Amino acid sequence: GDSVTQMEGPVTLSEEAFLTINCTYTATGYPSLFWYVQYPGEGLQLLLKATKADDKGSNKGFEATYRKETTSFHLEKGSVQVSDSAVYFCALPPSGGSYIPTFGRGTSLIVHP
Amino acid sequence: DVKVTQSSRYLVKRTGEKVFLECVQDMDHENMFWYRQDPGLGLRLIYFSYDVKMKEKGDIPEGYSVSREKKERFSLILESASTNQTSMYLCASSVDRDNEKLFFGSGTQLSVL
Repeated sequence: GDSVTQMEGPVTLSEEAFLTINCTYTATGYPSLFWYVQYPGEGLQLLLKATKADDKGSNKGFEATYRKETTSFHLEKGSVQVSDSAVYFCALPPSGGSYIPTFGRGTSLIVHP
Repeated sequence: DVKVTQSSRYLVKRTGEKVFLECVQDMDHENMFWYRQDPGLGLRLIYFSYDVKMKEKGDIPEGYSVSREKKERFSLILESASTNQTSMYLCASSVDRDNEKLFFGSGTQLSVL
């Protein structure tokens, strides 16, 4: 079945540092790919998505490129802020008649001033 | 904007109590989900529903039941709460199976003493 593997956290950075959170997936075909973000005390919300190979999703300064050759969708941001501290989830949509999306385990990001 | 509302942000219950967690969405979504979130374990699906009165077990249904009598409301029931059910509970909804984006509530932090 489908699966998503994310790098373990926490990732701890200083403000203005470069961020990469790795995500690789196993799936049939070429599904859309998602990043969700969960700020402290809140539920998850969609951060960005890409629907086909070589697409780049972007939002709030974050970017991720759909790489079918490496089955990866790594999340990047050039200069993080304290307000980016959150948990980030990589996800696949439902497939093969299922109703259920597949989430990675989440990666906690802590940004210090 | 779509709103998914969970009735309580924090709940404290005693072992053996019957606990109801309520979730309401305001956008006529077909699918609704209950997850629990624990440190290091990511999101685990408890139950989901793809229509009124329809429900399917997720990965960890033991000790839980659900009710969906109206399209907008999906209730999670702990028949006899136990300390190992202390967790963050997240409700989510999506338009239908072909719509890939999930909308999440803010979560209910349940403590069972």
